[in-house]
Amino acid sequence: DVKVTQSSRYLVKRTGEKVFLECVQDMDHENMFWYRQDPGLGLRLIYFSYDVKMKEKGDIPEGYSVSREKKERFSLILESASTNQTSMYLCASSPPQGAPGWYGYTFGSGTRLTVV
Amino acid sequence: AQTVTQSQPEMSVQEAETVTLSCTYDTSESDYYLFWYKQPPSRQMILVIRQEAYKQQNATENRFSVNFQKAAKSFSLKISDSQLGDAAMYFCAYRRDSGNTPLVFGKGTRLSVIA
Repeated sequence: DVKVTQSSRYLVKRTGEKVFLECVQDMDHENMFWYRQDPGLGLRLIYFSYDVKMKEKGDIPEGYSVSREKKERFSLILESASTNQTSMYLCASSPPQGAPGWYGYTFGSGTRLTVV
Repeated sequence: AQTVTQSQPEMSVQEAETVTLSCTYDTSESDYYLFWYKQPPSRQMILVIRQEAYKQQNATENRFSVNFQKAAKSFSLKISDSQLGDAAMYFCAYRRDSGNTPLVFGKGTRLSVIA
């Protein structure tokens, strides 16, 4: 069964810590995405990547960075965690446009991050 | 920029009844895709149904169907014969049919199913 795996289901970090959220997919997808989910705000795009070493800012990139050194792995980095980054983080992947199934995403099961 | 609006933060339905979740969107594009995703308490996002904008026929998947009104930019989801397992957050989403553009999501509707 194809999968997007997020390394942690729950995470608690202290203010000011550098935090890494890892996402790995086994479908050889070119496109990968990081969303943040908050009650009443839905899913908001943080960063996305079309290919290895490529990245694009989404709607709310401030306070975050990303890394994609290998096709299957897309990491979200909180350089200095703050309490307002307490949230659910969802990773997703998809094939490139025109490839079978390109229109939809496969999601990970999310990381609930609490910054104290 | 494209936006997706779900005007009902919460909805409830009796088991076995029918419920309709609303979604409107704003775009200047003519070719695009629309989606409904379900997120149960497990948090795993599941694709419920997809609609291509160039298709006039409304998509259906078993008990789930959509009412796609392109001119009105409306895309509602109808769930028939509601089941307890349908209780979840439902997100409407839009994707332009050009380039590797990301999905744009609405804020979601929490559906409760009453036994």
